[in-house]
Amino acid sequence: SQQGEEDPQALSIQEGENATMNCSYKTSINNLQWYRQNSGRGLVHLILIRSNEREKHSGRLRVTLDTSKKSSSLLITASRAADTASYFCATDRVSNNNDMRFGAGTRLTVKP
Amino acid sequence: NAGVTQTPKFQVLKTGQSMTLQCAQDMNHNSMYWYRQDPGMGLRLIYYSASEGTTDKGEVPDGYNVSRLKKQNFLLGLESAAPSQTSVYFCASSFRGTNEQFFGPGTRLTVL
Repeated sequence: SQQGEEDPQALSIQEGENATMNCSYKTSINNLQWYRQNSGRGLVHLILIRSNEREKHSGRLRVTLDTSKKSSSLLITASRAADTASYFCATDRVSNNNDMRFGAGTRLTVKP
Repeated sequence: NAGVTQTPKFQVLKTGQSMTLQCAQDMNHNSMYWYRQDPGMGLRLIYYSASEGTTDKGEVPDGYNVSRLKKQNFLLGLESAAPSQTSVYFCASSFRGTNEQFFGPGTRLTVL
Protein backbone atom coordinates (compact mmCIF):
# COMPACT_ATOMS: atom_id res chain seq x y z
CA SER A 1 0.00 0.00 0.00
CA GLN A 2 1.09 3.57 -0.57
CA GLN A 3 2.78 5.01 2.51
CA GLY A 4 2.50 8.66 1.63
CA GLU A 5 -0.48 10.56 0.38
CA GLU A 6 -0.11 13.97 -1.20
CA ASP A 7 -2.66 16.72 -1.08
CA PRO A 8 -3.87 18.28 -3.29
CA GLN A 9 -3.81 15.89 -6.24
CA ALA A 10 -3.52 18.83 -8.60
CA LEU A 11 -2.61 22.49 -8.13
CA SER A 12 -2.69 25.29 -10.67
CA ILE A 13 -1.15 28.70 -9.89
CA GLN A 14 0.22 31.78 -11.64
CA GLU A 15 3.91 32.42 -12.03
CA GLY A 16 5.27 34.26 -9.01
CA GLU A 17 2.81 32.72 -6.56
CA ASN A 18 3.76 30.24 -3.87
CA ALA A 19 2.80 26.57 -4.09
CA THR A 20 2.21 24.39 -1.06
CA MET A 21 1.89 20.63 -1.19
CA ASN A 22 1.20 18.34 1.72
CA CYS A 23 2.10 14.74 2.47
CA SER A 24 0.77 12.40 5.12
CA TYR A 25 2.21 9.03 6.00
CA LYS A 26 1.32 6.12 8.23
CA THR A 27 4.29 4.55 9.96
CA SER A 28 7.37 5.75 11.82
CA ILE A 29 10.15 6.89 9.54
CA ASN A 30 13.86 7.66 9.47
CA ASN A 31 13.49 10.34 6.86
CA LEU A 32 11.11 11.85 4.32
CA GLN A 33 12.14 12.90 0.85
CA TRP A 34 10.56 15.01 -1.86
CA TYR A 35 11.07 14.27 -5.53
CA ARG A 36 10.06 15.99 -8.73
CA GLN A 37 9.07 14.33 -11.99
CA ASN A 38 8.72 16.09 -15.30
CA SER A 39 6.34 14.46 -17.73
CA GLY A 40 7.79 11.25 -19.16
CA ARG A 41 11.01 11.52 -17.18
CA GLY A 42 12.60 9.90 -14.15
CA LEU A 43 12.35 11.37 -10.68
CA VAL A 44 14.80 13.96 -9.43
CA HIS A 45 15.59 14.32 -5.75
CA LEU A 46 14.75 17.70 -4.25
CA ILE A 47 15.28 17.54 -0.52
CA LEU A 48 15.58 15.10 2.38
CA ILE A 49 14.45 15.82 5.92
CA ARG A 50 15.29 13.50 8.79
CA SER A 51 12.85 12.52 11.49
CA ASN A 52 14.66 14.67 14.09
CA GLU A 53 14.43 17.79 11.90
CA ARG A 54 11.44 20.11 11.75
CA GLU A 55 12.28 22.39 8.85
CA LYS A 56 14.72 22.50 5.99
CA HIS A 57 15.43 24.96 3.19
CA SER A 58 17.01 24.60 -0.21
CA GLY A 59 16.87 27.59 -2.53
CA ARG A 60 13.18 28.34 -3.16
CA LEU A 61 12.11 25.15 -1.40
CA ARG A 62 11.02 24.90 2.22
CA VAL A 63 10.08 21.58 3.77
CA THR A 64 8.52 21.03 7.16
CA LEU A 65 8.04 17.78 9.03
CA ASP A 66 5.66 17.10 11.90
CA THR A 67 6.27 13.56 13.15
CA SER A 68 3.51 13.80 15.75
CA LYS A 69 0.98 14.35 12.93
CA LYS A 70 2.88 12.18 10.46
CA SER A 71 2.80 14.93 7.89
CA SER A 72 5.10 17.08 5.80
CA SER A 73 4.69 20.08 3.55
CA LEU A 74 6.68 21.34 0.58
CA LEU A 75 6.57 25.06 -0.19
CA ILE A 76 7.88 26.40 -3.47
CA THR A 77 8.21 30.17 -3.34
CA ALA A 78 8.05 32.55 -6.30
CA SER A 79 7.06 29.75 -8.67
CA ARG A 80 8.17 29.67 -12.29
CA ALA A 81 6.67 28.00 -15.35
CA ALA A 82 9.63 25.60 -15.24
CA ASP A 83 8.38 24.32 -11.86
CA THR A 84 5.49 22.64 -13.66
CA ALA A 85 5.86 18.94 -12.77
CA SER A 86 4.58 16.25 -10.44
CA TYR A 87 5.90 16.24 -6.90
CA PHE A 88 6.13 13.13 -4.77
CA CYS A 89 6.92 12.52 -1.15
CA ALA A 90 8.67 9.31 -0.19
CA THR A 91 9.24 7.75 3.19
CA ASP A 92 11.31 4.88 4.39
CA ARG A 93 10.48 2.72 7.39
CA VAL A 94 12.30 2.62 10.68
CA SER A 95 12.52 -1.15 10.31
CA ASN A 96 13.88 -1.02 6.75
CA ASN A 97 15.49 2.11 5.34
CA ASN A 98 15.66 0.59 1.85
CA ASP A 99 11.91 0.15 1.63
CA MET A 100 10.82 3.47 0.18
CA ARG A 101 7.12 4.19 -0.28
CA PHE A 102 5.93 6.95 -2.57
CA GLY A 103 2.68 8.83 -2.59
CA ALA A 104 0.57 9.32 -5.69
CA GLY A 105 1.92 12.83 -6.17
CA THR A 106 0.70 16.39 -6.66
CA ARG A 107 0.53 17.65 -10.23
CA LEU A 108 1.62 21.31 -10.19
CA THR A 109 0.92 23.59 -13.13
CA VAL A 110 2.46 27.06 -13.10
CA LYS A 111 0.93 29.35 -15.69
CA PRO A 112 3.15 32.05 -17.22
CA ASN B 1 29.24 10.29 -15.50
CA ALA B 2 26.17 8.72 -17.08
CA GLY B 3 24.42 8.23 -13.71
CA VAL B 4 21.73 5.55 -13.95
CA THR B 5 21.00 4.08 -17.35
CA GLN B 6 18.23 1.69 -18.38
CA THR B 7 17.73 -0.48 -21.43
CA PRO B 8 15.55 -0.77 -23.35
CA LYS B 9 13.56 2.49 -23.34
CA PHE B 10 10.49 0.90 -24.87
CA GLN B 11 9.34 -2.71 -25.14
CA VAL B 12 6.22 -4.47 -26.35
CA LEU B 13 5.65 -8.07 -25.29
CA LYS B 14 2.97 -10.63 -25.85
CA THR B 15 1.35 -12.34 -22.89
CA GLY B 16 3.54 -15.18 -21.68
CA GLN B 17 6.80 -13.88 -23.10
CA SER B 18 9.77 -13.23 -20.86
CA MET B 19 12.32 -10.46 -20.87
CA THR B 20 15.01 -8.76 -18.79
CA LEU B 21 15.25 -5.06 -18.07
CA GLN B 22 18.75 -3.84 -17.51
CA CYS B 23 19.99 -1.12 -15.18
CA ALA B 24 23.49 0.20 -14.70
CA GLN B 25 24.95 2.88 -12.42
CA ASP B 26 28.42 4.40 -12.42
CA MET B 27 28.30 6.13 -9.05
CA ASN B 28 29.62 3.19 -6.99
CA HIS B 29 26.34 3.09 -5.09
CA ASN B 30 25.63 0.21 -2.72
CA SER B 31 21.85 0.12 -3.03
CA MET B 32 19.77 -0.35 -6.14
CA TYR B 33 16.02 -0.45 -6.66
CA TRP B 34 13.36 -1.36 -9.19
CA TYR B 35 10.03 0.45 -9.18
CA ARG B 36 6.95 0.45 -11.35
CA GLN B 37 4.75 3.46 -11.97
CA ASP B 38 1.19 3.08 -13.17
CA PRO B 39 -0.90 6.01 -14.50
CA GLY B 40 -1.90 8.46 -11.79
CA MET B 41 0.03 6.62 -9.14
CA GLY B 42 3.29 6.98 -7.36
CA LEU B 43 6.12 4.51 -7.60
CA ARG B 44 5.83 1.08 -6.06
CA LEU B 45 8.92 -0.84 -5.03
CA ILE B 46 9.32 -4.21 -6.74
CA TYR B 47 12.70 -5.38 -5.47
CA TYR B 48 15.77 -3.80 -3.99
CA SER B 49 19.38 -4.73 -3.42
CA ALA B 50 21.25 -3.32 -0.46
CA SER B 51 24.59 -4.64 -1.69
CA GLU B 52 26.16 -6.71 -4.43
CA GLY B 53 24.86 -10.28 -4.33
CA THR B 54 21.84 -9.55 -2.10
CA THR B 55 18.25 -8.87 -3.09
CA ASP B 56 14.99 -8.42 -1.18
CA LYS B 57 11.33 -8.17 -2.06
CA GLY B 58 9.55 -4.86 -2.04
CA GLU B 59 5.87 -4.06 -2.10
CA VAL B 60 4.92 -5.76 -5.40
CA PRO B 61 7.40 -8.56 -6.23
CA ASP B 62 5.04 -11.17 -7.71
CA GLY B 63 5.81 -12.08 -11.31
CA TYR B 64 9.32 -10.61 -11.21
CA ASN B 65 12.82 -11.79 -10.41
CA VAL B 66 16.05 -9.86 -10.00
CA SER B 67 19.79 -10.39 -9.93
CA ARG B 68 22.69 -8.25 -8.68
CA LEU B 69 25.81 -10.13 -9.73
CA LYS B 70 27.87 -6.97 -10.13
CA LYS B 71 27.73 -3.86 -7.98
CA GLN B 72 26.97 -1.61 -10.93
CA ASN B 73 24.20 -3.72 -12.48
CA PHE B 74 20.70 -4.66 -11.36
CA LEU B 75 18.55 -6.78 -13.64
CA LEU B 76 14.76 -7.16 -13.50
CA GLY B 77 13.22 -10.22 -15.13
CA LEU B 78 9.65 -10.87 -16.11
CA GLU B 79 9.11 -14.61 -16.07
CA SER B 80 5.82 -14.78 -17.98
CA ALA B 81 4.53 -11.34 -18.91
CA ALA B 82 0.92 -10.44 -18.16
CA PRO B 83 -1.11 -7.39 -19.26
CA SER B 84 -1.16 -6.27 -15.59
CA GLN B 85 2.59 -5.71 -15.89
CA THR B 86 2.09 -2.97 -18.44
CA SER B 87 3.76 -0.02 -16.74
CA VAL B 88 6.74 2.29 -16.68
CA TYR B 89 9.68 0.75 -14.85
CA PHE B 90 12.26 2.86 -13.08
CA CYS B 91 15.60 1.81 -11.72
CA ALA B 92 17.27 3.85 -8.99
CA SER B 93 20.41 3.74 -6.92
CA SER B 94 21.65 5.31 -3.72
CA PHE B 95 24.85 5.24 -1.69
CA ARG B 96 22.85 3.31 0.89
CA GLY B 97 19.35 3.27 2.32
CA THR B 98 18.22 6.60 3.85
CA ASN B 99 20.12 8.53 1.18
CA GLU B 100 18.71 10.26 -1.86
CA GLN B 101 17.97 8.03 -4.80
CA PHE B 102 19.09 8.70 -8.35
CA PHE B 103 16.68 7.52 -11.01
CA GLY B 104 17.09 6.26 -14.52
CA PRO B 105 14.93 7.55 -17.41
CA GLY B 106 12.54 4.60 -17.27
CA THR B 107 11.44 1.72 -19.49
CA ARG B 108 7.94 1.84 -20.91
CA LEU B 109 6.64 -1.72 -21.14
CA THR B 110 3.44 -2.78 -22.84
CA VAL B 111 2.15 -6.34 -22.57
CA LEU B 112 -0.49 -7.27 -25.11
